[in-house]
Amino acid sequence: GESVGLHLPTLSVQEGDNSIINCAYSNSASDYFIWYKQESGKGPQFIIDIRSNMDKRQGQRVTVLLNKTVKHLSLQIAATQPGDSAVYFCAEIPFRDDKIIFGKGTRLHILP
Amino acid sequence: GAVVSQHPSWVICKSGTSVKIECRSLDFQATTMFWYRQFPKQSLMLMATSNEGSKATYEQGVEKDKFLINHASLTLSTLTVTSAHPEDSSFYICSARDAGRGLSNEQFFGPGTRLTVL
Repeated sequence: GESVGLHLPTLSVQEGDNSIINCAYSNSASDYFIWYKQESGKGPQFIIDIRSNMDKRQGQRVTVLLNKTVKHLSLQIAATQPGDSAVYFCAEIPFRDDKIIFGKGTRLHILP
Repeated sequence: GAVVSQHPSWVICKSGTSVKIECRSLDFQATTMFWYRQFPKQSLMLMATSNEGSKATYEQGVEKDKFLINHASLTLSTLTVTSAHPEDSSFYICSARDAGRGLSNEQFFGPGTRLTVL
């Protein structure tokens, strides 16, 4: 049966607009953060990462911002395209650990 | 480079049977592989860490006798779901860390295996 409350938040964005996906992480000892994209029926795909000694990192069409004070991470996607439609997960890796802790995920829905 | 494959990509089995899922690193050696489970509309949950040549380390709440992990070589880890039941139906995903990248903790993910237990 369905579990109440277990659903992915959805962000709907017009094609061509910028998307901002937010994430709150839990462990103040985490020093490495990654954003993953997961399309339906596939494994996670690495998008961009950032270390805790940085506030911002840019890739191709994507930017990750890190605010360690409030333990907040965001992913900005410029000029959103239909191919960006997927579920996006933030992930953290605590210092000197090798485990990836995944966040809850956000579904990005592109409006035509 | 850094490709991880899983086999099978999907499997349907009867309740009570065992199912083996393979995870291979195709172009690198992986001393450490990880197994995750993902239920619909949920995040990935780490089940266990698999180290080549040694016993796997299971996360709290994961039954090691039910989910048997074998990491017999630097390119292959297997997950066997023993006596599968419908509640074991899920998307199982593995990842691997490249032994040649030193202290890098980057993991490369497989495409996942959809298990459906009838």
